[in-house]
Amino acid sequence: DAMVIQNPRYQVTQFGKPVTLSCSQTLNHNVMYWYQQKSSQAPKLLFHYYDKDFNNEADTPDNFQSRRPNTSFCFLDIRSPGLGDAAMYLCATSGGSSGANVLTFGAGSRLTVL
Amino acid sequence: GQNIDQPTEMTATEGAIVQINCTYQTSGFNGLFWYQQHAGEAPTFLSYNVLDGLEEKGRFSSFLSRSKGYSYLLLKELQMKDSASYLCAVMDSNYQLIWGAGTKLIIKP
Repeated sequence: DAMVIQNPRYQVTQFGKPVTLSCSQTLNHNVMYWYQQKSSQAPKLLFHYYDKDFNNEADTPDNFQSRRPNTSFCFLDIRSPGLGDAAMYLCATSGGSSGANVLTFGAGSRLTVL
Repeated sequence: GQNIDQPTEMTATEGAIVQINCTYQTSGFNGLFWYQQHAGEAPTFLSYNVLDGLEEKGRFSSFLSRSKGYSYLLLKELQMKDSASYLCAVMDSNYQLIWGAGTKLIIKP
C-alpha cells in the first residue's frame, strides 16, 4: 500500500545530542511537511517542501533543519535538542490526484530528551 | 490573527450521537478539514468541506457555514473506538493549514 513511513517511531536522545528523523513516501506527492506536536496541542508546522522548494516557517528555531534529497525522502535534523523539543514529529504529504489539499500523515516519531 | 476554536473535551455515551463544533477566523478560506487522532498516533483524514452544507460519510457527517465561520462534525452510533481527538483545520488564502488544538472525545459504555 502506498504510504508515508517515518523512522524511528521512538527516539531517545540526550540534551544537546543531534538527532535525525526520516520520512519516506510512496505516494509520489510533491509536497512534504514536518510538523511538531506536543500533548493536547495543535500540530505546529516547521517546514514544507513544494517539490524542491523549501519553505521555512518564520518561527521555526534555527536548531531545526531539513533536507529533501529526492521526491520520496525528507529528513528533519535537530542539531542540539533541548528539553522543550520533546514532542511527536509528524511527516505529511499532499498533492495526490484524489484531493490535492488532503494531508496524509506518517505514524510519527516520538522524541524524548533526557 | 488566525484562530480556530473547538472545545477541549467532550464526553458521550456508546450508541449515542455527538456534535463537535469548530469556529474559525482566518485570512481567506480554501476548505475546512476534520482529522481523527488516536492517542499517540498520527492524524487520519475524515472529511473536507469547501462549500456550505452537509457532507455525509457513513456514521460521520461534517457541516460548513462559511458566512458564520462555523463547522461541526457529527458522529452517530458512537463506538468505543471513536474515543480520540478530533482536529479541525482550515486552509487559508495562502493554502496554509491552520489547526485547532483538537477536541478530546471520551466515550463511556
